[in-house]
Amino acid sequence: AAGVIQSPRHLIKEKRETATLKCYPIPRHDTVYWYQQGPGQDPQFLISFYEKMQSDKGSIPDRFSAQQFSDYHSELNMSSLELGDSALYFCASSSETSGVYEQYFGPGTRLTVT
Amino acid sequence: AQTVTQSQPEMSVQEAETVTLSCTYDTSESDYYLFWYKQPPSRQMILVIRQEAYKQQNATENRFSVNFQKAAKSFSLKISDSQLGDAAMYFCASKFSGGGADGLTFGKGTHLIIQP
Repeated sequence: AAGVIQSPRHLIKEKRETATLKCYPIPRHDTVYWYQQGPGQDPQFLISFYEKMQSDKGSIPDRFSAQQFSDYHSELNMSSLELGDSALYFCASSSETSGVYEQYFGPGTRLTVT
Repeated sequence: AQTVTQSQPEMSVQEAETVTLSCTYDTSESDYYLFWYKQPPSRQMILVIRQEAYKQQNATENRFSVNFQKAAKSFSLKISDSQLGDAAMYFCASKFSGGGADGLTFGKGTHLIIQP
């Protein structure tokens, strides 16, 4: 079965640079979520989109923004990167319309800020 | 505040034995969903099992089952016939609303060790 696709899988950036992470949800899933997992931490919810509209917002820094496009893929844009942004970033998808509330996670993008 | 608590940072079990991982939560919502996710060393987050709060019957998926006690706000995971491949970090999580694209709230996780 098709899974959530994230790209790139690994990304190395320097402080103050920008980064863009991409997420392609499972086909026919209409909802995308972004999470950040620091080393030894549990995943922290950042933001979600349903039918291309922002739905819920968690602990997302103002330096980060995201959007969902007409084909339901989503991008997380991160600016003025800081060392503390180094983490594993997960995208997850679900189908709210179909009542499939469980979230299926992608493999993650490992961001290293130097 | 809505919280998920896992009080066991680490658990160890012999291969083929049964182990139970604990999870408690706190919410004022009446409709919510509970999940267990497995995160092996690859760091992939894998959905193990889900439970709808409105369902009294405990969910079961092969060797994995839950003991859902709504009044006690408890949601434990039982793994039967433990296998080496079960070794991972296990996270309890909740979607604290009946609908809508709300983010999950995770516990701190339990590191499960399987001894051969």
